[in-house]
Amino acid sequence: QVQLQQSGPGLVKPSETLSLTCGVSGYSISNGYYWGWIRQPPGKGLEWIGSIHHSGNTYYNPSLESRFTLSVSTSKNQFSLKLSSVTAADTAVFYCARALWFGNLWGFDSWGQGTLVTVSS
Amino acid sequence: DIEMTQSPSSLSASVGDRVTITCRASQSISRYLNWYQQISGKAPKLLIYAASSLQSGVPSRFSGSGSGTDFTLTISSLQPEDFATYYCQQSHTTPTFTFGPGTKVDVK
Repeated sequence: QVQLQQSGPGLVKPSETLSLTCGVSGYSISNGYYWGWIRQPPGKGLEWIGSIHHSGNTYYNPSLESRFTLSVSTSKNQFSLKLSSVTAADTAVFYCARALWFGNLWGFDSWGQGTLVTVSS
Repeated sequence: DIEMTQSPSSLSASVGDRVTITCRASQSISRYLNWYQQISGKAPKLLIYAASSLQSGVPSRFSGSGSGTDFTLTISSLQPEDFATYYCQQSHTTPTFTFGPGTKVDVK
């Protein structure tokens, strides 16, 4: 059974870079699928940030600014998110998730525990 | 870009009630539609994929229907553990995705 374990700081200063990592166990990222990040500002809904394929191909939400960077490490079986130049508006719970192929579409079937990242000095 | 809307944004219901939530896409997405449940403070959970297929382990009181632009999630008999927020998500533009704004189901 695949498990996703998130790590990273819960507090980031304005203008700095937010970095989160999602470690995967029970499944090898090299075997395929997409691996995504979703954020949820306090009291608001879910927003897809982007997804990365095990090959390294990345896809970002076109509605968001280009401050996000996704990367993957197949050797460490983990994938990561960086968000540069953060402001208070970036305060949110960030989730990592696996997009599973159900035969005719993709769905996020496994999720990390979520990380509340607060941007404050 | 495909935009997703949900109605209502919130509803109040009692245990045992039949609950229906609607999701609409701004253009046809065939049946590329998933539903998630998020209990407060927890990560979302996939309930239904491809508009009507029940994810493994999800109780049969949950069902989904629809195609094209209009979709529904139905809970046939609301249980105490079902009070949560429900999100639809389109996968038509994979590998990009869009979530709906959510529908909160709370206690009447």
